Amino acid sequence: QLVQSGAEVRKPGESLKISCKASGYSFVNYGIGWVRQVAGKGLECMGVISLSETRYSPSFQGQITIAADNSHNTVYLQWSNLQASDTAMYYCARLLGDDYSYFFDLWGRGTLVTVSS
Amino acid sequence: DIVLTQSPATLSLSPGERATLSCGASQSVSANYLAWYQQRPGLAPRLLIFDASTRATDIPDRFSGSGSGTDFTLTISRLESEDFAVYYCQQYGSSPVTFGQGTKLEIK
Repeated sequence: QLVQSGAEVRKPGESLKISCKASGYSFVNYGIGWVRQVAGKGLECMGVISLSETRYSPSFQGQITIAADNSHNTVYLQWSNLQASDTAMYYCARLLGDDYSYFFDLWGRGTLVTVSS
Repeated sequence: DIVLTQSPATLSLSPGERATLSCGASQSVSANYLAWYQQRPGLAPRLLIFDASTRATDIPDRFSGSGSGTDFTLTISRLESEDFAVYYCQQYGSSPVTFGQGTKLEIK
């Protein structure tokens, strides 16, 4: 399973790191991705991380950082300068496939991030 | 980027009826690398179908996927109450992976 950290509230300009801890499978054998869902809207893949590399979707490149701590089976999603437009639900999900061609077979329950002054 | 267009946006049906959801791609999806997800209200998405027609683990056989190239279909043969949800398609044949905007399946 994938267990995500709890809901967060931040002000514009603040930083934030949320987490996704994997259990029940060999963490190093699978990549993990982050998917954004703005309230009432669809799904957007932000980026993925595996043993070989980290790749960001063009829309999110430079806006976020994805990192992993393999010793703790945990993946992180980080912002250094949050904006109100970052308010959304963020899901982590396990990849099946490779770094360029993948779908998501196991999902976390989501972390709600609210950015408001 | 490949744009996926799902239709209809909303589908109103009754339990026991057959549902047909469409996903059209702006260009051919390589190797028919297309997945379908179900998202019930307040929950995370759940993988239903991958490689256009392969059911994921523990998915009931009333769910089936078909199609190739630019036109794909998710069919639910006999709707049950828990099937009323939003459904998304996702292509992973070209980078970046992209999702459709979703079809809401609602009770009539």
